Amino acid sequence: EVQLVESGGGLVQPGGSLRLSCEASGFTFSTYIMYWVRQAPGKGLEYVSGISTDGGTAYYANSVKDRFTISRDNSRNTVYLQMGSLRPEDTAVYYCAVGAIWGQGTLVTVSS
Amino acid sequence: QSALTQPASVSGSPGQSITISCTGTNSDVGGYNFVSWYQQHPGKAPKLLIYDVSTRPSGVSHRFSGSKSGNTASLTISGLQAEDEAEYYCSSYTISSTWVFGGGTKLTVL
Repeated sequence: EVQLVESGGGLVQPGGSLRLSCEASGFTFSTYIMYWVRQAPGKGLEYVSGISTDGGTAYYANSVKDRFTISRDNSRNTVYLQMGSLRPEDTAVYYCAVGAIWGQGTLVTVSS
Repeated sequence: QSALTQPASVSGSPGQSITISCTGTNSDVGGYNFVSWYQQHPGKAPKLLIYDVSTRPSGVSHRFSGSKSGNTASLTISGLQAEDEAEYYCSSYTISSTWVFGGGTKLTVL
């Protein structure tokens, strides 16, 4: 079955860090550019980051640049999102996605 | 990286057709044929309806179609059904090699 499964979300204090993981199965992970997209409560979708097939090139939304780092491990079929200097406005469901394949999302809550 | 512009809401009766617009700039919608449309029901992950402006993934109903003219892309849903009631988002590849989404359009089936 083709699927993406995110994990690592939770409650974190402002200024803190969190690492999200997304494990892929059912398709040739290493041949796809992978993305993270987020959705704040009651709000629309927002592109967060993307990473090339070999992990050598990464792209970020201005809102997370210099605070978030995307990476991937093709041997583990997993893409990561290391989030730092977290702010309340980073509170959202974070989705891992590639084309028509989306995970179920993992909720990150930044609050004291 | 300004969000693409979509109407906040549209409505239609069962059986009718509706069109949702998505306006960007030459740096995104107008510059690339990489516009996608997603449908999202409450509490669910988005579902890809259209990619590359007008291509439907396998399994997506032929009632959904996409087009583009200049800096504006459009999603048309024909033969509206009750289950089409959802939020719809457009997205486009950008000159910065990132993607940008529209603000979303809530479709109400009357």
